[in-house]
Amino acid sequence: DIQMTQSPSSLSASVGDRVTITCLASQDISVCLNWYQQKPGKAPKLLIYDVSTLQTGVPSRFSGSGSGTDFTLTIDSLQPEDIATYYCQQYDNLPPTFGGGTKVEIK
Amino acid sequence: QVQLQESGPGLVKPSQTLSLSCTVSGGSITSSGYYWSWIRQHPGKGLEWIGYIHSIGTTYYNPSLRSRVSISVDTSKNQFSLKMTSVTAADTAVYYCARDLREQRLDSWGQGRLVTVSS
Repeated sequence: DIQMTQSPSSLSASVGDRVTITCLASQDISVCLNWYQQKPGKAPKLLIYDVSTLQTGVPSRFSGSGSGTDFTLTIDSLQPEDIATYYCQQYDNLPPTFGGGTKVEIK
Repeated sequence: QVQLQESGPGLVKPSQTLSLSCTVSGGSITSSGYYWSWIRQHPGKGLEWIGYIHSIGTTYYNPSLRSRVSISVDTSKNQFSLKMTSVTAADTAVYYCARDLREQRLDSWGQGRLVTVSS
């Protein structure tokens, strides 16, 4: 299985800050990378697919980049409603695998 | 807009079989390009993909669970189901069903069903 490693595992930032989360794949996955947002007590929600395409309805302050093994999720101007855990997921090889998650909190 | 809803027992005894169903509404389970997946999340932990099924019956299971898992589909009920045999406390988790578009992304999720394995 392809291992997905996220960092940091948690972060605390102020409203309006720019937040960056990284995801490292154990092997080249090209651009087969998605990001999910999971708010407390809720199901995950698809946020970004194919590295950088925003799912319908996702605010433009979210963006994704990367290719190969290194990927980044950026939140420009963190908002209170962005408090959640974020997961990356690769679909280049079966089984699909997820990163361990990054918990984002407000400072 | 498609919606998914898990159902089934929330408590299962050790060594028994966990059975969950997922009812799809707002769209057909036979829609082209979609696979129907199960994912679980252990308490306070990350996400583990269990497997998927296509409406024509094609399945793929996570090798780590393959010996204990089966997924089936009932197109007449617009529903798909998960069975996991010989459960232990380690199978206690929230189980999610989700729609997988072209084996690429999980674009719709159910709300999740907590299943506790305990005597």
